[in-house]
Amino acid sequence: NAGVMQNPRHLVRRRGQEARLRCSPMKGHSHVYWYRQLPEEGLKFMVYLQKENIIDESGMPKERFSAEFPKEGPSILRIQQVVRGDSAAYFCASSRAPPYNEQFFGPGTRLTVL
Amino acid sequence: GESVGLHLPTLSVQEGDNSIINCAYSNSASDYFIWYKQESGKGPQFIIDIRSNMDKRQGQRVTVLLNKTVKHLSLQIAATQPGDSAVYFCAETPPMIKAAGNKLTFGGGTRVLVKP
Repeated sequence: NAGVMQNPRHLVRRRGQEARLRCSPMKGHSHVYWYRQLPEEGLKFMVYLQKENIIDESGMPKERFSAEFPKEGPSILRIQQVVRGDSAAYFCASSRAPPYNEQFFGPGTRLTVL
Repeated sequence: GESVGLHLPTLSVQEGDNSIINCAYSNSASDYFIWYKQESGKGPQFIIDIRSNMDKRQGQRVTVLLNKTVKHLSLQIAATQPGDSAVYFCAETPPMIKAAGNKLTFGGGTRVLVKP
């Protein structure tokens, strides 16, 4: 049973370009969470999605960031017009229906904005 | 706002000794707590969890203690091994509302260095 998969593992973008990060949850999981981690810091919650629905986006910046989890295919975190401050590791986690269900994390996508 | 924090940023421990990692949380309504281990270049790995109706839970070589009176959480690792070298994060979730899911609030992390 494959774990949470994220791609690409490393992504380099120039300022003003778009970044698309993909997350495939574990088999049987329909709940996806995105977190962002700056170097030497803890992870910060961004958004929680179920299939075709955004449940909680309270941690997502209001501009340039969007997320989706379509009926078919992976969850996508999209960052438009990237700036240097967007450089970070972005982690996706998936779980079965809450509450109290362990979140399994993917290996992350490390975004570098030049 | 509410946050989860740690007392010690770095912990050096001799191989074979026991490790204790501490975490203070500020949201007295927090309902569920988890410890994660993160190795360099990898995603967080679940270690152990505990619900707010418990004060102790044991796993393989690990024990989590929860003191709700002082809002303190600790992770004890018995017979620390070189493979335990990593950054350890505590995380909390607010009271469970099914529709809200269990988004995690992470602390800043403690780096554990195991000396041979």
